[in-house]
Amino acid sequence: QKEVEQNSGPLSVPEGAIASLNCTYSDRGSQSFFWYRQYSGKSPELIMSIYSNGDKEDGRFTAQLNKASQYVSLLIRDSQPSDSATYLCAVNRIQGAQKLVFGQGTRLTINP
Amino acid sequence: SAVISQKPSRDICQRGTSLTIQCQVDSQVTMMFWYRQQPGQSLTLIATANQGSEATYESGFVIDKFPISRPNLTFSTLTVSNLSPEDSSIYLCSVDRGQGYEQYFGPGTRLTVT
Repeated sequence: QKEVEQNSGPLSVPEGAIASLNCTYSDRGSQSFFWYRQYSGKSPELIMSIYSNGDKEDGRFTAQLNKASQYVSLLIRDSQPSDSATYLCAVNRIQGAQKLVFGQGTRLTINP
Repeated sequence: SAVISQKPSRDICQRGTSLTIQCQVDSQVTMMFWYRQQPGQSLTLIATANQGSEATYESGFVIDKFPISRPNLTFSTLTVSNLSPEDSSIYLCSVDRGQGYEQYFGPGTRLTVT
């Protein structure tokens, strides 16, 4: 079992709809969770961090965390073509703190 | 966040040679990290670099192949030695701002080995 798993996609969503990206992790002791956006040819950009169960909203982005189910998700409301990118889920590894483990990423395409 | 620069942004190298990548941060940071991103893949941590101590390498990465220096709190280098085509990747440095393990990435170095 991979430490952090994501559906690699591609995920195709019409413009204006909600894009839902999912991530599961195996280390039950993980405490910090991140979503990065990576445009083609660019480096990852941190867009959301979440540390406690529930929802965290920032503009059109909402991160959701459920530690009991070891599940974290990212919702993008009113999707725009500029949201087309690969989204990487990252989880901190408890052993040797401050190390992040990344999922394989989900490629998202927003269709005009 | 942090302003992070990397040099070079890209390079084409011959097999058997080495490439040294520089990472510069606009403010002092405790932790710096080096990642590799192979084509179409996610990020894999190579090592963690702390100032004043030896770098800590992840499983599958060794110091002889990927020597790292961390002379101060704003700068680090990663050398990829004895290059082979399998080393063709994007190499990224990142820094930890110390708040909940958030990491911020530099622009990356695209290495092609011929």
